Amino acid sequence: GAGVSQSPSNKVTEKGKDVELRCDPISGHTALYWYRQSLGQGLEFLIYFQGNSAPDKSGLPSDRFSAERTGGSVSTLTIQRTQQEDSAVYLCASSLPGTSSKQTGTQYFGPGTRLLVL
Amino acid sequence: LAKTTQPISMDSYEGQEVNITCSHNNIATNDYITWYQQFPSQGPRFIIQGYKTKVTNEVASLFIPADRKSSTLSLPRVSLSDTAVYYCLVAPYTDKLIFGTGTRLQVFP
Repeated sequence: GAGVSQSPSNKVTEKGKDVELRCDPISGHTALYWYRQSLGQGLEFLIYFQGNSAPDKSGLPSDRFSAERTGGSVSTLTIQRTQQEDSAVYLCASSLPGTSSKQTGTQYFGPGTRLLVL
Repeated sequence: LAKTTQPISMDSYEGQEVNITCSHNNIATNDYITWYQQFPSQGPRFIIQGYKTKVTNEVASLFIPADRKSSTLSLPRVSLSDTAVYYCLVAPYTDKLIFGTGTRLQVFP
């Protein structure tokens, strides 16, 4: 079946503009995650959704970042008043719940959106 | 949340076995150990997951000692296409995964 898709694949914007990044998870996956990866760095957790609710927003770097998920499916990550340090690859992943409350379900990642803020 | 420590980089040659060890001294009783692989310009891909002892699949083996304070990912007979970054993660009580900087494996011909 189809994997996780993200759009746009690349985005170039000017400092101060708002951007929206979209993630379409695998059908039936209730959990959805956003990560950020700067050049040559590891992944930085941003936010996690279970269904439409976000029990963990601890990774959002500032109040310029927000995310929502509707219908338990598509998610949008919005960055307001972009700054040059926001330039990175934004990755989305989805998973089924783990088999117990303590086990993480395998996460399937999308190809990412490469954001460049000039 | 358990923190993991793994080597920054490793080099190998085609056909060799590669073992990447990860330390996770603060692993909790019900945490699982998961490894992901990431190629340049792609998102990470699940490789293997285990709780204790040994797990093997078509791609790799995962060795976990009794104290579970470390784990070793074993890649048999690597090829050039195994050049990638390998992340060791400990599954927390929530579904959030904390990725470190990973181990950059370079395979030479």
